Amino acid sequence: AQSVAQPEDQVNVAEGNPLTVKCTYSVSGNPYLFWYVQYPNRGLQFLLKYITGDNLVKGSYGFEAEFNKSQTSFHLKKPSALVSDSALYFCAVRDGSGGYQKVTFGTGTKLQVIP
Amino acid sequence: EAQVTQNPRYLITVTGKKLTVTCSQNMNHEYMSWYRQDPGLGLRQIYYSMNVEVTDKGDVPEGYKVSRKEKRNFPLILESPSPNQTSLYFCASRDRYEQYFGPGTRLTVT
Repeated sequence: AQSVAQPEDQVNVAEGNPLTVKCTYSVSGNPYLFWYVQYPNRGLQFLLKYITGDNLVKGSYGFEAEFNKSQTSFHLKKPSALVSDSALYFCAVRDGSGGYQKVTFGTGTKLQVIP
Repeated sequence: EAQVTQNPRYLITVTGKKLTVTCSQNMNHEYMSWYRQDPGLGLRQIYYSMNVEVTDKGDVPEGYKVSRKEKRNFPLILESPSPNQTSLYFCASRDRYEQYFGPGTRLTVT
């Protein structure tokens, strides 16, 4: 069975500082990895994905994520946090080996950027 | 505009009163699914559909039904709602990689 762990319920960071939101995964086949963001009273919005290729992927709003196969991690990063980045972030994994591929989400990490 | 729509956005109902939450997408996606979001549990998949007339259970299907008679629509049916189905519900459709989520339906069952 595949799984996603987001070990931090909440991450606090000062505006202008770099931020990291952690994610580790477990999947039997090739991992397809995703980050989504949820602003209050809104649905989830796609941020970025890793399918294959470069381990560092860039996404929307200046976010990036690094795929680390040996550590089975896919941490979300941003060089300089904005107050408007405050939201709930979800990591998700899918087995890309073929056939029907269910997506499994983590429990979410609340990011609070302090002015 | 490419989007997934859900209705209603908010619903308060009583135990046992059948309800339907509608979901529609305009992106011609074959794959659609329903999730519920609960604090500390993240998103859990209720049902999914690979195409018209093809549906299957997700992780938490008990107490829910779905149908997929048309490609664009994927309604969620609660035949006899109970208080433990109070939650935030999301419909999503998917292209090859990315999922597109609706705005959510906040359901309260008293």
